Amino acid sequence: GDSVTQMEGPVTLSEEAFLTINCTYTATGYPSLFWYVQYPGEGLQLLLKATKADDKGSNKGFEATYRKETTSFHLEKGSVQVSDSAVYFCALRGTGFQKLVFGTGTRLLVSP
Amino acid sequence: DTGVSQDPRHKITKRGQNVTFRCDPISEHNRLYWYRQTLGQGPEFLTYFQNEAQLEKSRLLSDRFSAERPKGSFSTLEIQRTEQGDSAMYLCASSPFRGQDTGELFFGEGSRLTVL
Repeated sequence: GDSVTQMEGPVTLSEEAFLTINCTYTATGYPSLFWYVQYPGEGLQLLLKATKADDKGSNKGFEATYRKETTSFHLEKGSVQVSDSAVYFCALRGTGFQKLVFGTGTRLLVSP
Repeated sequence: DTGVSQDPRHKITKRGQNVTFRCDPISEHNRLYWYRQTLGQGPEFLTYFQNEAQLEKSRLLSDRFSAERPKGSFSTLEIQRTEQGDSAMYLCASSPFRGQDTGELFFGEGSRLTVL
């Protein structure tokens, strides 16, 4: 079945450092790919998405590119802030399906 | 507040008891989803509704679990004869369907279940 694998955390960075959180997926067809973020005490919220190969999703300085050849959707940000500390979830939605399949999440801790 | 709301936020119960969670989706959303999240894991899909119709159920949803959305608005998730393994965060999400599905789900803050 469809699945998502993302790097284990926590990822600990200093403010203004470069961030990469790796995400790879297994799916048949052409899934849509998502990054969701969960800030402390809040519900999950969509950060960005991409619906076809080579699409780049971006939001709040974060970017991820849908790479079908490597089945990856890595999350990047050039300069993280303390306020980016949260848990990040990579997810996919398979072709013809409504449900999202999530990875296990990666906790990001950014120190001043 | 027009977000997804869930109630109760935290429920502690003894093994064998029944519990019910309620979800109120964003008012104009006609799709509603239930997920379960255990510590250190991502959300796992349980079931989803389009209006009042339950269109998909996960194999995770054993016979002890039942979900309803009788009028296509709020939904309830009932767990009968709770077991310690049912301890988790139960997440509700909703999404609009206007013929153009963006794929985005809007999540509530969850209902945490602790089974003693």
